[in-house]
Amino acid sequence: DVKVTQSSRYLVKRTGEKVFLECVQDMDHENMFWYRQDPGLGLRLIYFSYDVKMKEKGDIPEGYSVSREKKERFSLILESASTNQTSMYLCASGRDAYNSPLHFGNGTRLTVT
Amino acid sequence: AQSVSQHNHHVILSEAASLELGCNYSYGGTVNLFWYVQYPGQHLQLLLKYFSGDPLVKGIKGFEAEFIKSKFSFNLRKPSVQWSDTAEYFCAVPYSGAGSYQLTFGKGTKLSVIP
Repeated sequence: DVKVTQSSRYLVKRTGEKVFLECVQDMDHENMFWYRQDPGLGLRLIYFSYDVKMKEKGDIPEGYSVSREKKERFSLILESASTNQTSMYLCASGRDAYNSPLHFGNGTRLTVT
Repeated sequence: AQSVSQHNHHVILSEAASLELGCNYSYGGTVNLFWYVQYPGQHLQLLLKYFSGDPLVKGIKGFEAEFIKSKFSFNLRKPSVQWSDTAEYFCAVPYSGAGSYQLTFGKGTKLSVIP
């Protein structure tokens, strides 16, 4: 069974801090994704990666960056956390997003105070 | 970019009632379509998918969805809901971005089933 593991379930950070959210998948998937989930807004794509060291902006990349140094790991970085980045962050992986379902982690609920 | 519209934000039903959740997408070409479900406290998981062929597709737990190309719709249905169907449901459509496909989601429909 595919497993997507997000390093933290809950995080509380202060405004201006640099925040790292880590995600690891165990199925050798080429594609990995970071979404944020907010009530009434659904899932919005922040960044995705289709190969090691390859990254593409999603719909809301401002204030975020990503890193994919190894195939199984995809990190989301908040360069300087702000209160409007308080959200649930979901990591997903998949063989591709067209023909194959994505597998999601349990999410990281980030609160920025 | 593809866009996905889900018509209902929150649906409240009694057990045994029938369910239909609407989903419309914007792209008019060949399209794959997905419904995902998120049960309370759990991760998002695939409910069903349409790739081609029979426009009526069946998923887990008695759910089905019908693809109607002329209406750009992919509505989710269940004849008789149970309390355990309480969850948030998301329609999703892939589209081609730079280098690979992305998956765009609707805003979700929260379903509350009253025992």
